[in-house]
Amino acid sequence: AQSVSQHNHHVILSEAASLELGCNYSYGGTVNLFWYVQYPGQHLQLLLKYFSGDPLVKGIKGFEAEFIKSKFSFNLRKPSVQWSDTAEYFCAVYGGSQGNLIFGKGTKLSVKP
Amino acid sequence: NAGVMQNPRHLVRRRGQEARLRCSPMKGHSHVYWYRQLPEEGLKFMVYLQKENIIDESGMPKERFSAEFPKEGPSILRIQQVVRGDSAAYFCASSPTIRTRVSHSTDTQYFGPGTRLTVL
Repeated sequence: AQSVSQHNHHVILSEAASLELGCNYSYGGTVNLFWYVQYPGQHLQLLLKYFSGDPLVKGIKGFEAEFIKSKFSFNLRKPSVQWSDTAEYFCAVYGGSQGNLIFGKGTKLSVKP
Repeated sequence: NAGVMQNPRHLVRRRGQEARLRCSPMKGHSHVYWYRQLPEEGLKFMVYLQKENIIDESGMPKERFSAEFPKEGPSILRIQQVVRGDSAAYFCASSPTIRTRVSHSTDTQYFGPGTRLTVL
């Protein structure tokens, strides 16, 4: 069965620090990959997605992610975080013939002002 | 263009009662997905519906849970005889069309604000 692993449960950073959140998936075929963000009390919003082409994907709010097929990874990065980036981040994958997304357990990011 | 709408946002039920959660997809979207988020867990897929059809219900519990997406009106997730373990956030997502090898750009699922169900 397909699965998604997010290695960090809770990350605490100071403003201006760089961020990298890990995401690994288990499916070996063609995948579509997503990062969603959930701000406190709000619904999931799409940060960025990868379907094909350039493995370095740029999203909203200065986030980017790199698809490394050989490592089955899709790590999320941001060079300099802000307090407003405090949220929970979810990696998700479409794989195979299923219509549903498989989500990781999420990483809570706390940014100290 | 309004986003995915869910109501109610918060729902409190006593054990044994029924819970009905509603989801109106984005305009032009004909595919609806329901997910459940338990505390400290990611979202788990429950069911995938198109208008008047259940496409994939592999994530639905075998008993007490049902879903529909009628020709007119919102999609409904129904939980009969709720138990404390049903307490969770239930999210609905919609997408424009079925994914294909060519039109991957239509695959993105857009999420609603969720319904937080509390069973007392």
